[in-house]
Amino acid sequence: DVKVTQSSRYLVKRTGEKVFLECVQDMDHENMFWYRQDPGLGLRLIYFSYDVKMKEKGDIPEGYSVSREKKERFSLILESASTNQTSMYLCASSPRTDGEQYFGPGTRLTVT
Amino acid sequence: QKEVEQNSGPLSVPEGAIASLNCTYSDRGSQSFFWYRQYSGKSPELIMFIYSNGDKEDGRFTAQLNKASQYVSLLIRDSQPSDSATYLCAVNTGGGADGLTFGKGTHLIIQP
Repeated sequence: DVKVTQSSRYLVKRTGEKVFLECVQDMDHENMFWYRQDPGLGLRLIYFSYDVKMKEKGDIPEGYSVSREKKERFSLILESASTNQTSMYLCASSPRTDGEQYFGPGTRLTVT
Repeated sequence: QKEVEQNSGPLSVPEGAIASLNCTYSDRGSQSFFWYRQYSGKSPELIMFIYSNGDKEDGRFTAQLNKASQYVSLLIRDSQPSDSATYLCAVNTGGGADGLTFGKGTHLIIQP
C-alpha cells in the first residue's frame, strides 16, 4: 500500500511566522503535490514537483514556496503566515503526472 | 480553462438503493478519470479510476465514462450508511502535465 505521511495533523501558528509542512511518501513516486482545501472552494493546487529539485507552480502559489531535496520528501513553506492561509493542507504523490494520486492525512493549519 | 463540475448536493439515497454521482469536464483532451471518497475531516481516498469509454466495475462501485459527452459517473449499488461521504471527481488536464483537476465534490447521504 502507498503510504503518504505528513508531519503534523494540527498546527497553530501566529501571523508572520515561517511555517514548514513536510510530506514523505514511501512508494518511490516521481510526482508529488501540495493542495489546500477550503469549504466551497474544493481542492486547489499550490505547487507540484515531478522530480528531485524540480518544482512547478499550481493555481495558487502566492505566499508559498516548496523544496524537494530528496525523492521521498516534499516540503511546503509559508514564508510569512497570514490568516487567509488558515486551511487544510493536503500532500499527494503519484507515479505519473496524470495518474492516480494518493493523499496523506492532511494538516489543519490555523494562523492567528 | 480546466473545469470539472459536480452537483454539490446533498444527494440523499435510501439504504440499499443505487446512488448515482455525476461529473462533467471541459478539457476534451482528458484521458484519465478518477473518483475519490472523502469522509468529513479526512483526506481523499481513491476508490476507482477509468481510462476507456464504457463501464468499469469494482465490487459495489461502477464507473461510467462517455468521452463524447465529456461525462463520467459513479454508481454505488446496495448503498450503505458507511458510503455517506463527499465524492470527488478528478480529471487529468493540460495534456497530463499539470496533474489532476478536482471537482468540488458531491455530498452523499445514505439514509438508514
